[in-house]
Amino acid sequence: AQKITQTQPGMFVQEKEAVTLDCTYDTSDPSYGLFWYKQPSSGEMIFLIYQGSYDQQNATEGRYSLNFQKARKSANLVISASQLGDSAMYFCAMKTTGGGNKLTFGTGTQLKVEL
Amino acid sequence: EAQVTQNPRYLITVTGKKLTVTCSQNMNHEYMSWYRQDPGLGLRQIYYSMNVEVTDKGDVPEGYKVSRKEKRNFPLILESPSPNQTSLYFCASSLDSASGRPLDEQYFGPGTRLTVT
Repeated sequence: AQKITQTQPGMFVQEKEAVTLDCTYDTSDPSYGLFWYKQPSSGEMIFLIYQGSYDQQNATEGRYSLNFQKARKSANLVISASQLGDSAMYFCAMKTTGGGNKLTFGTGTQLKVEL
Repeated sequence: EAQVTQNPRYLITVTGKKLTVTCSQNMNHEYMSWYRQDPGLGLRQIYYSMNVEVTDKGDVPEGYKVSRKEKRNFPLILESPSPNQTSLYFCASSLDSASGRPLDEQYFGPGTRLTVT
């Protein structure tokens, strides 16, 4: 069975600072993908970044980067130069080849960016 | 524009009154899925469909039905809603990755906020 753990229910960061949101995962499938989604207060799910289990390099998308440590089974999201608009709920999710297309989600981290 | 649409976006109903939440995608995706989101639990899969006329249970299917008569549509049916089905519901679609292609991104609808009193 797949499992995603996000241990930070809430976090605060000052504007323009970097912040790391933690995510650990558990699966026995050697082929999997890790995703991060942002959910603002309006409710929609916004895809941020993807990391495949066989990718050699950490994924980056603009101000978002994924710190992928396969041996530790962690896939932390790093947001650089935080902006007020980054305040939202963030979900880590995983999909495995053996699990079909099902996404297994963590419980989320509520991020608040302060002036 | 590639998108997944859901209707209604907000619904307040009473216990036992049958309702349907519609979901439609315009990307010709084989795979469609329903999730519910509850505080402290993240999103959990209710049902999914690998293609037309192929549906299966997810992690929390009790109290729900689905159908997939056309590729683009995947409605979620609550035959007799109960208060514990008050939740935020998301429909999602993606290409079928069972063939071994790279794991594909899922596209989410805007969500349907359901309250059952």
